Amino acid sequence: DVKVTQSSRYLVKRTGEKVFLECVQDMDHENMFWYRQDPGLGLRLIYFSYDVKMKEKGDIPEGYSVSREKKERFSLILESASTNQTSMYLCASSFPTNEKLFFGSGTQLSVL
Amino acid sequence: DAKTTQPPSMDCAEGRAANLPCNHSTISGNEYVYWYRQIHSQGPQYIIHGLKNNETNEMASLIITEDRKSSTLILPHATLRDTAVYYCIASSGGYQKVTFGTGTKLQVIP
Repeated sequence: DVKVTQSSRYLVKRTGEKVFLECVQDMDHENMFWYRQDPGLGLRLIYFSYDVKMKEKGDIPEGYSVSREKKERFSLILESASTNQTSMYLCASSFPTNEKLFFGSGTQLSVL
Repeated sequence: DAKTTQPPSMDCAEGRAANLPCNHSTISGNEYVYWYRQIHSQGPQYIIHGLKNNETNEMASLIITEDRKSSTLILPHATLRDTAVYYCIASSGGYQKVTFGTGTKLQVIP
């Protein structure tokens, strides 16, 4: 069965901390995505990657960076967490031939 | 990707068909229409996609108008478990970003 695994379901961090959100997929997908979801705002794309070491900014990249050192793993980094980054973070992956995305279960991040 | 527009919310009686509309008037010829749903506290799940022909699978049917400017997702016999947010996107695939809107919150009523 297809699997996208996010390292934590719930995470609580303090303002100013460096935060790593990890995502691993087992489908050999080239494309990987990070979204955040806030009430009333839907899913908003932060970054995506179409290959190892390749990354592209999404619609709201400010305050975030990403890393993709291996094909199966895509990490989202909050260099200095702020309270306005409290949100649900969702990772997804797909083949480039279509937009059939597979999502992880999400990480609910609270920054205090 | 073409922009899509969906109503923010809809209600449907249990056992009746739920028809969820999506407008994608700027869709280009090589863009597919994809539908996803997100049940509370879970990641979105793919439902169905199509280019210009109507499509059906075990979850739903997709009707795309002849001019491809709009589509309708049909859940033939809605159940309480179909209560979710439904997203429609239009995309040609490839190495590009995939953007979602705010979707339609479907409430199935007993």
